[in-house]
Amino acid sequence: GDSVTQMEGPVTLSEEAFLTINCTYTATGYPSLFWYVQYPGEGLQLLLKATKADDKGSNKGFEATYRKETTSFHLEKGSVQVSDSAVYFCALSDERVHDMRFGAGTRLTVKP
Amino acid sequence: DAGITQSPRYKITETGRQVTLMCHQTWSHSYMFWYRQDLGHGLRLIYYSAAADITDKGEVPDGYVVSRSKTENFPLTLESATRSQTSVYFCASREQSLGYNEQFFGPGTRLTVL
Repeated sequence: GDSVTQMEGPVTLSEEAFLTINCTYTATGYPSLFWYVQYPGEGLQLLLKATKADDKGSNKGFEATYRKETTSFHLEKGSVQVSDSAVYFCALSDERVHDMRFGAGTRLTVKP
Repeated sequence: DAGITQSPRYKITETGRQVTLMCHQTWSHSYMFWYRQDLGHGLRLIYYSAAADITDKGEVPDGYVVSRSKTENFPLTLESATRSQTSVYFCASREQSLGYNEQFFGPGTRLTVL
């Protein structure tokens, strides 16, 4: 079945460092891909999404490109801030299934 | 308040007791979902509902019961709580469409079963 694999954390970076969180997926159809962010004590919030191959989702300085050839959707940010400290989830949604499939989550800590 | 709310936010109970977690959304979304979040597992689907009076099992339904008599509410009941059900529970909703639309999540309920 459809699944998502993302890099294990935790990830600790200094402020203004470059961030990459890897995400790869397995799907038999043509899924939409998502990154969600979860701040401490809160629910998940949509960070960005891409609905077809080569689409780039972007929001708040974060970007991810839907790469069908490598089945990947890596999250990147050029300069992280302390306020970016959170858990990040990669997810996919396929027209054949009703739910989303989530990766295990990657905890990011940004230090001043 | 607009959006999706969950209650209670925190709950401590004992093994064998019945517990009901509430979820309410104001968008009139057709689909609603219950997930549990456990370290190392991400989010796993417990049950979902496509509309009022239509529910179906997800990946980990054992020990849980759901109902949906009204579009806006989707309660989750643990009939006889076990320690393995200690977790953070999230409710989510999305519009009626093919599965490309994002889901909107509630703030979560942290449940501890002693």
